[in-house]
Amino acid sequence: AQSVTQPDIHITVSEGASLELRCNYSYGATPYLFWYVQSPGQGLQLLLKYFSGDTLVQGIKGFEAEFKRSQSSFNLRKPSVHWSDAAEYFCAVGEKEYGNKLVFGAGTILRVKS
Amino acid sequence: EPEVTQTPSHQVTQMGQEVILRCVPISNHLYFYWYRQILGQKVEFLVSFYNNEISEKSEIFDDQFSVERPDGSNFTLKIRSTKLEDSAMYFCASNLRGGISYEQYFGPGTRLTVT
Repeated sequence: AQSVTQPDIHITVSEGASLELRCNYSYGATPYLFWYVQSPGQGLQLLLKYFSGDTLVQGIKGFEAEFKRSQSSFNLRKPSVHWSDAAEYFCAVGEKEYGNKLVFGAGTILRVKS
Repeated sequence: EPEVTQTPSHQVTQMGQEVILRCVPISNHLYFYWYRQILGQKVEFLVSFYNNEISEKSEIFDDQFSVERPDGSNFTLKIRSTKLEDSAMYFCASNLRGGISYEQYFGPGTRLTVT
C-alpha cells in the first residue's frame, strides 16, 4: 500500500536559519511527489513537485526538494527561513497506476521564532 | 488568480443529520475531488469526479456519502446521516485535466463538527 511518513510533527527554527522537512514514502513504482503548504484559513498550496529527471527540484517561495530513490525520501529544504514561512507542510505522493488521488503525510507544523 | 472556494467554513451539526458541503471549483476545471482530514491525522482521499460520474472512491466513501455537480459551478459533498467520526476538515480540489501530473488546486476547507 502507498504511504507517506513525515516524522516531525512540529519543527521550530529561527528566522534566517536553514530548514529541512523530512518525507519518506512507500511505493511500488516510480512515484509522483509533491509538497503542499497550508497557512491558517487557506487551502493547500503546491510548493513543488517531482515526476522524473533532475532529482533536485525548485519550487515557489525559495523552496527546493531532493528526491533520493535509495532512501525513499523527498525532503523539503530552504536555505533561509522567513517568518511568513510559518505554516503546515504536507508531503504527498501519487502514482499513475492508482489514478489521480494523492496520498498525504500527516503534516509538519513549522514555527519560526524571531 | 482563480481559486477554489468552499462554504461554509465551519459547520456544526447533530449526529444523524444530513449535511451538504459546497465547493466552487476553478471555472475551467473538469476534475473534482474531496479529501478530508480528521484532527491530528492525515489528509485522506475520499472521491474523484469527472464528467458527472465518480471516477474513483476510497473505502471511506461509503453509502452515507454522495457527490453531485448540480449546476455548472458547484460541486457538493453530502453526508446523509452524520456520525461523530465524520468530524473533520473537508477539502475540495480541482484540476484542469485528470492524471496525477496535473496540479490539484485545493480550497480552504470546511470544518465539520458533529455533536
